[in-house]
Amino acid sequence: AQSVSQHNHHVILSEAASLELGCNYSYGGTVNLFWYVQYPGQHLQLLLKYFSGDPLVKGIKGFEAEFIKSKFSFNLRKPSVQWSDTAEYFCAVNANNNDMRFGAGTRLTVKP
Amino acid sequence: GAGVSQSPRYKVAKRGQDVALRCDPISGHVSLFWYQQALGQGPEFLTYFQNEAQLDKSGLPSDRFFAERPEGSVSTLKIQRTQQEDSAVYLCASSPATGTISTRMHFGDGTRLSIL
Repeated sequence: AQSVSQHNHHVILSEAASLELGCNYSYGGTVNLFWYVQYPGQHLQLLLKYFSGDPLVKGIKGFEAEFIKSKFSFNLRKPSVQWSDTAEYFCAVNANNNDMRFGAGTRLTVKP
Repeated sequence: GAGVSQSPRYKVAKRGQDVALRCDPISGHVSLFWYQQALGQGPEFLTYFQNEAQLDKSGLPSDRFFAERPEGSVSTLKIQRTQQEDSAVYLCASSPATGTISTRMHFGDGTRLSIL
């Protein structure tokens, strides 16, 4: 079945640690890829997106993600996390102009 | 603020009751989406409106779910004869662009529905 998979349900890091959250999808064809973030008590916000071009995309707050077509992956990275990055992160895929499909989310806890 | 507003924030209903959830999109936004987010899951697409036209309702889980946007602005998601599996957060999002691909999708805070 077509799906979006986020490998880690809950990640706990100390401040200044590096972050990588995995996202894999199983859709073929043209894909548009997104990462959304939901801070505690807030609504979903777009972190970054990939439509075409450079597969390494940079988003807000120092986040970046790399689209690797051969691996059907779009992992999110940040070299040094901060306590304020504590949030839930959702990978989303829009394939072949159909509706947006979200992964189950990864909860990130950053310890001060 | 000028964000997407959803009401109520919390709704508790007994199994079998009908509920109505409201979404006020950002003024002027053409597109409106409804998503259902079960506990521990990501949002699942329910339906999409472009102005008052419901262009995609493929995600509605059953005929108990009904959505409308009669004047192309406020939208209501209605669930009839609620079941316990309907318990979830219902998210509304709006966008100034048409189509289901949008980088300018703004989400509301959601309505948390609990069915007893």
